Amino acid sequence: QVTLKESGPVLVKPTETLTLTCTVSGFSLSNARMGVSWIRQPPGKALEWLAHIFSNDEKSYSTSLKSRLTISKDTSKSQVVLTMTNMDPVDTATYYCARINYDFWSGRYYYYMDVWGKGTTVTVSS
Amino acid sequence: DIQMTQSPSSLSASVGDRVTITCRASQIISSFLNWYQQKPGKAPKLLIYAASSLQSGVPSRFSGSGSGTDFTLTISSLQPEDFATYYCQQSYSTLSWTFGQGTKVEIK
Repeated sequence: QVTLKESGPVLVKPTETLTLTCTVSGFSLSNARMGVSWIRQPPGKALEWLAHIFSNDEKSYSTSLKSRLTISKDTSKSQVVLTMTNMDPVDTATYYCARINYDFWSGRYYYYMDVWGKGTTVTVSS
Repeated sequence: DIQMTQSPSSLSASVGDRVTITCRASQIISSFLNWYQQKPGKAPKLLIYAASSLQSGVPSRFSGSGSGTDFTLTISSLQPEDFATYYCQQSYSTLSWTFGQGTKVEIK
């Protein structure tokens, strides 16, 4: 059974750095062409993709948040870590991690997020 | 960045109704389009990937279609458990992914 679990602080102060950890089980972070994404959702608002990392260590970031985000993985620990610097109250949200899976046909790889963690709520307040 | 626009933002429907949600991309994304369902307080759930492939375990009343810039999610006969918010998401390039703003399906 594939599971992902987010962990991190519930409350951070403005200007602090947020560090979130996604611990996965049931699959390996070294599985070819698979990966992990981070997504967030402010209260009452839409989903926002933040970043992802693939098994080959390819990383991508949201254009609007790129300067503040860093994603990394520790395959031996089955963990993916996301750091976000200079936190602000507008960053208050539920943060999810999700497994990236793929399908291959007609010579192309089609990626999608098929298993999600339950999310962790982060509040930014002094 | 590729922008995804869903319509409508919300809709009211009755059990048994046929429901259609539209998603439009700001540029051609071929079939690199996924659909998710989210219920209040829960994580999103994958319904459709690659525009029209039904995820394992998802009821066949859900279907997806489209290619290029225009896509549709259809629920053929709305069930009580389908009242939720639905999101499209493009995965055209691994460099940047985006979600639509969501469509809330409510009980009429």
